[in-house]
Amino acid sequence: GESVGLHLPTLSVQEGDNSIINCAYSNSASDYFIWYKQESGKGPQFIIDIRSNMDKRQGQRVTVLLNKTVKHLSLQIAATQPGDSAVYFCADASSGGSYIPTFGRGTSLIVHP
Amino acid sequence: DTGVSQNPRHKITKRGQNVTFRCDPISEHNRLYWYRQTLGQGPEFLTYFQNEAQLEKSRLLSDRFSAERPKGSFSTLEIQRTEQGDSAMYLCASSPRKERGPTDTQYFGPGTRLTVL
Repeated sequence: GESVGLHLPTLSVQEGDNSIINCAYSNSASDYFIWYKQESGKGPQFIIDIRSNMDKRQGQRVTVLLNKTVKHLSLQIAATQPGDSAVYFCADASSGGSYIPTFGRGTSLIVHP
Repeated sequence: DTGVSQNPRHKITKRGQNVTFRCDPISEHNRLYWYRQTLGQGPEFLTYFQNEAQLEKSRLLSDRFSAERPKGSFSTLEIQRTEQGDSAMYLCASSPRKERGPTDTQYFGPGTRLTVL
């Protein structure tokens, strides 16, 4: 079965709104997660990562939240822009897996102008 | 452009033919990874190299798949006797990791899209 998975295959938002993309994982020993953005015709691009000793990490317009109790993480994008339209993946890149990311299915974010 | 490059970008072949893809990592990145991505799915790890050494190859999909990185720079992925189920995007990534641990980001190339007729 899948060790990480996104909750929704597609998310549509209006430009300027905040977007929240959710992801669940199954292994309670997982200790490192990465969010990637993949635009059409391109390879995945690193957005932000988080280790299990943190609950929250912020980047530029993005925030990742990790809830180890329910094995859930989320990616929040503030003031979503058309350029944010892409497929987003969460990946489990934990030490038990030699830090090689295991990707779940993605969520396609569609930003309407 | 100093990013990861992959060639060709597209490959159409007939079932049973052999294909080879090339990946040029970012200069001085000592780790190189191959992934396969099918439509609607996330990338699936296949194998990786630390310099010229192939450290993990048990996740290669079958013995028809092989990869090399003879001089620790570019890498090739070969699929022999292709099957229609091999149709996918093949992604390469590199990282500058020097020590074990999640300290280095993987940078992905644009991929090679393989279509097996």
